Amino acid sequence: GQSLEQPSEVTAVEGAIVQINCTYQTSGFYGLSWYQQHDGGAPTFLSYNALDGLEETGRFSSFLSRSDSYGYLLLQELQMKDSASYFCAVRDPNRDDKIIFGKGTRLHILP
Amino acid sequence: DSGVTQTPKHLITATGQRVTLRCSPRSGDLSVYWYQQSLDQGLQFLIQYYNGEERAKGNILERFSAQQFPDLHSELNLSSLELGDSALYFCASSALGTGSYEQYFGPGTRLTVT
Repeated sequence: GQSLEQPSEVTAVEGAIVQINCTYQTSGFYGLSWYQQHDGGAPTFLSYNALDGLEETGRFSSFLSRSDSYGYLLLQELQMKDSASYFCAVRDPNRDDKIIFGKGTRLHILP
Repeated sequence: DSGVTQTPKHLITATGQRVTLRCSPRSGDLSVYWYQQSLDQGLQFLIQYYNGEERAKGNILERFSAQQFPDLHSELNLSSLELGDSALYFCASSALGTGSYEQYFGPGTRLTVT
């Protein structure tokens, strides 16, 4: 079947670094996307990895290993405003291009 | 502000009724996506339209239908509503049909079925 697995919750301290993992199981794969969603808000795009390796965008980085069907989002210098839910997503070209989102990881940041 | 607009913001209706949700994509974007988000199911992809044509289909119920008009705005029609249809419905847009993973989400329509 098709599925994306990510932890339901992660807690970290302000100023620290946190990693949110995502493993996927799909028959086809274009790449892995990450979205951030604050409470009551809409998802916003953070990053996309089509190839293996690390992509860096400011304090946020995303990593992909296609051979391991695994990726992660790395958040550095955590700020209170980073408290949100983070979703990984894939598009499966072998399943009519369906887009599949993980159930999301709720990030709690402690002062 | 993503540039994607959705109306209405809130909708309260009764079981068995039919509603229409509307979405206007960002200027220049040809693709529109519809998602349903509920507490227990996460973000569920419903359907994608690209330049007026259906491009990809997710777990959309037969009671639901959508279309994209020549001006690229889209409507999601939900009929024979059930209590379980209560959710947040998001529309998103992107420039391309495939390979375009940067989607811009609208603020959502919160549907409550009583």
